[in-house]
Amino acid sequence: SAVISQKPSRDICQRGTSLTIQCQVDSQVTMMFWYRQQPGQSLTLIATANQGSEATYESGFVIDKFPISRPNLTFSTLTVSNMSPEDSSIYLCSVVLGGLGEQYFGPGTRLTVT
Amino acid sequence: AQSVTQPDIHITVSEGASLELRCNYSYGATPYLFWYVQSPGQGLQLLLKYFSGDTLVQGIKGFEAEFKRSQSSFNLRKPSVHWSDAAEYFCAVVTSGSARQLTFGSGTQLTVLP
Repeated sequence: SAVISQKPSRDICQRGTSLTIQCQVDSQVTMMFWYRQQPGQSLTLIATANQGSEATYESGFVIDKFPISRPNLTFSTLTVSNMSPEDSSIYLCSVVLGGLGEQYFGPGTRLTVT
Repeated sequence: AQSVTQPDIHITVSEGASLELRCNYSYGATPYLFWYVQSPGQGLQLLLKYFSGDTLVQGIKGFEAEFKRSQSSFNLRKPSVHWSDAAEYFCAVVTSGSARQLTFGSGTQLTVLP
């Protein structure tokens, strides 16, 4: 497995502001994903962030709202822009280790928008 | 499109009792299957995985799961539940060969009574 850290672990933000979430991995990984978990819900994939290419967004998520950077093989950021209370969720990053799709998750960032 | 169904939203068992959490998937080929656990305020931890071979797989914390192709199921079991097993459990499937994108079930919340 890998050690995956996220910063911040939680934050309370005001409507209309932006928050950048960091994901750091202790080994080099090619495939990284960002997920959203709304209160009481399952996980929904926001985007795939592979190093060396533009992030690929899932239906319902757009780059203007959730810009992603992937500057190297151990780090990525997700920004939640122009936040509204509906963005209150846990945001998790994950990485793929091994050749068969085994994913490991960071501890998550709990975001509350007031 | 592929899908994962966890029919039980909430299960309550007594400590020491056996446990079975149900998971059904919809996919044409043999998928890669996973069970994750999410304790309160925590990220997701991988319990076990099935890729191929022996259909009964062992995981961490005394959990096991059995892949049954004829029933499109991958149920999670534990012979004796501990109070620390109280958590949310997610079944997930990787169905896109190279994209490694996980599709999650809606989750089952496990409550353990003393």
